[in-house]
Formats: sequence, structure tokens, C-alpha cells
Amino acid sequence: GQSLEQPSEVTAVEGAIVQINCTYQTSGFYGLSWYQQHDGGAPTFLSYNALDGLEETGRFSSFLSRSDSYGYLLLQELQMKDSASYFCAVSLSYNTDKLIFGTGTRLQVFP
Amino acid sequence: DTAVSQTPKYLVTQMGNDKSIKCEQNLGHDTMYWYKQDSKKFLKIMFSYNNKELIINETVPNRFSPKSPDKAHLNLHINSLELGDSAVYFCASSQSALGANQPQHFGDGTRLSIL
Repeated sequence: GQSLEQPSEVTAVEGAIVQINCTYQTSGFYGLSWYQQHDGGAPTFLSYNALDGLEETGRFSSFLSRSDSYGYLLLQELQMKDSASYFCAVSLSYNTDKLIFGTGTRLQVFP
Repeated sequence: DTAVSQTPKYLVTQMGNDKSIKCEQNLGHDTMYWYKQDSKKFLKIMFSYNNKELIINETVPNRFSPKSPDKAHLNLHINSLELGDSAVYFCASSQSALGANQPQHFGDGTRLSIL
């Protein structure tokens, strides 16, 4: 079976830095994506890692360690609007567009 | 302009009924998907089509039947609705680029409630 584990909930205050972890056990691995979903909204793409290391996109960064089957999403300078659910997702192989989504992490940002 | 639009946004119906959800994308993508998100927010792929051809068909009851009249549309028909079908159904699309990441673009979801 496929398994992507994330913490169920994370809380932080405005301006802080938060890290959301994702550990995966899947039948294959080609890359790790991150999606954000506000309550009642659609998932939206944030970032993608195919190789080990850190990818930075503005206030958000994503890290991947293939040898540890682990990745994380780092959110800096938190804002109230960052309160949402965050999902990691694994692409199983190069020849499929199929994504396996993680269990999701609800981030609550407080003033 | 809405990139991926699905209708209806809300669907409340009785057990045993048949219903359809429609999805259209204007992004020029060649791959479309249906996902189910349950009450615990677990997001699971159901089907995917590439240029009107069924590519992914997960273990989904055959009461669910997708149809893609053209690459910009992917509809989902559900027969004999059951209580367990209550969920949010998301349509998504992406440009198929096997071997490279292409983000998936999601519609706003259809909230299906079975009474």
C-alpha cells in the first residue's frame, strides 16, 4: 500500500516560521509536491521537489531527502492568510501523472 | 476566467438516486482527473483521462462512470447513490508531461450530501 504521513495539526503565530513534515512509503517515487487548501476551497499547487535539497519560492520552501523518504514544507513570515490545510503528494513514476496525497496538516496561524 | 469549473457546487439528494457532476477546463490541458475528498479531508484519485482516453481507474465502485466527450470536459455520473458517497468531489487538470512535474489545477469542488 501507499502511505504518506503528516502531522494532523500545527499552530503558530504571525511572523513565525513553521515546518510541516511528510514521510512516505510508496511503491515508487519520482517527486514530491505540496498543495495548499483553504477551508471550502480548492487545493492549489505550491512546490515540487524531484531531487534532494531545498527549493525556495518566496516565503515558502520545500525540502526533500530521497534516502530518508522524507520531505518538509517550510513557511516563513507567517501571515493569517496562511491558515489552511497543507498536503504533500508523491508522483509514483516518470510515466504516470498519478499523485498519491498525504493525510494533510491543518495550520492555524494566530495573531 | 475560471480555469477549472465544475457544476453543481452543492448537490443534496436522496439515497438511490442517480446524479451527474460536470467539469470543464479552459487551460488547454490534455489530462483531467476526478478526486474524492472525504470528511477527514483525505484526497484520493478516482479516475484520470488523457485526451479522452481513460488512463487511471482506481478501485471505485462501478456505480461511478466518468465520461470525457473531449479533452476539455470530464463528467462524472453516479448511479444508485449511497450514504458513503457523501464527500467533496474535485475535478482537476494538468498538462501531461511524463517525466516532468506539471501542477494539477483543481476546480472548486462539488459538495455531495446523501440524505
